[in-house]
Amino acid sequence: SAVISQKPSRDICQRGTSLTIQCQVDSQVTMMFWYRQQPGQSLTLIATANQGSEATYESGFVIDKFPISRPNLTFSTLTVSNMSPEDSSIYLCSVEGLLGDSGNTIYFGEGSWLTVV
Amino acid sequence: AQRVTQPEKLLSVFKGAPVELKCNYSYSGSPELFWYVQYSRQRLQLLLRHISRESIKGFTADLNKGETSFHLKKPFAQEEDSAMYYCALSLGYGQNFVFGPGTRLSVLP
Repeated sequence: SAVISQKPSRDICQRGTSLTIQCQVDSQVTMMFWYRQQPGQSLTLIATANQGSEATYESGFVIDKFPISRPNLTFSTLTVSNMSPEDSSIYLCSVEGLLGDSGNTIYFGEGSWLTVV
Repeated sequence: AQRVTQPEKLLSVFKGAPVELKCNYSYSGSPELFWYVQYSRQRLQLLLRHISRESIKGFTADLNKGETSFHLKKPFAQEEDSAMYYCALSLGYGQNFVFGPGTRLSVLP
C-alpha cells in the first residue's frame, strides 16, 4: 500500500468559512477520491479527483460547495465551502491504482475531522 | 441500484468464540467485494478482498453469488479484533465503492 497523508487531521471551523483539506500520496496513483463519513454513518463518495480536469461529482455534491483540485498524480485538495454545522464530518482521501497493485482496491488516508460551530 | 447491507450495527462475542459478520449486496454486474476494518483511532484499512481468496488475521470471507452474500468469518475471536467493519462493493476499476453501514464488533474478555 501507499502512505497517504491528510492535513489537517482535525479542525474546528466557524460557520460560513471555508477549509481546504490536502491529500499527499508518497507514490503516483491513477485514481484519487474524496469520501465523507458523517457521524455514525457509513462512507459516501463525494467525487473523483481527475488530474488536469474537473472532478467528477456524485449525486448530491456540487463543485461550488466542494471544489477539488488535482494538479498531479500524487496530490489533491478538497475545499469545503461556506460551511454549516451539517458539514461536520470526517473527510477521507482515498486512492486506487498503486503501482504493482492488482485489482481495484482503494486505500484511505487517516481522514480529516471537521467540526463546524 | 447497487447496495450493501450489514444487518448488525453491533455484534458482541466472547473471546475464543466464532464470529460472523454478515454482508449482503445487490448489483447486477460482476461484483468485487471487500472488507475494510477501522480500529480505534486508526485509519480505515483493507482487511481482505474476495478476488485474493486470502485469510488475513484469521478472517475469511467467501463470495456467494447465489445468496449475494460476502460474510466475514473467524473461528476464534480475539480481543484485538474489536473494531468497526465495513463491507464494500466495487463497481469496477476507477468506479465508486459502495460501502455498507458497518458493524461494530466487540470481543469481550
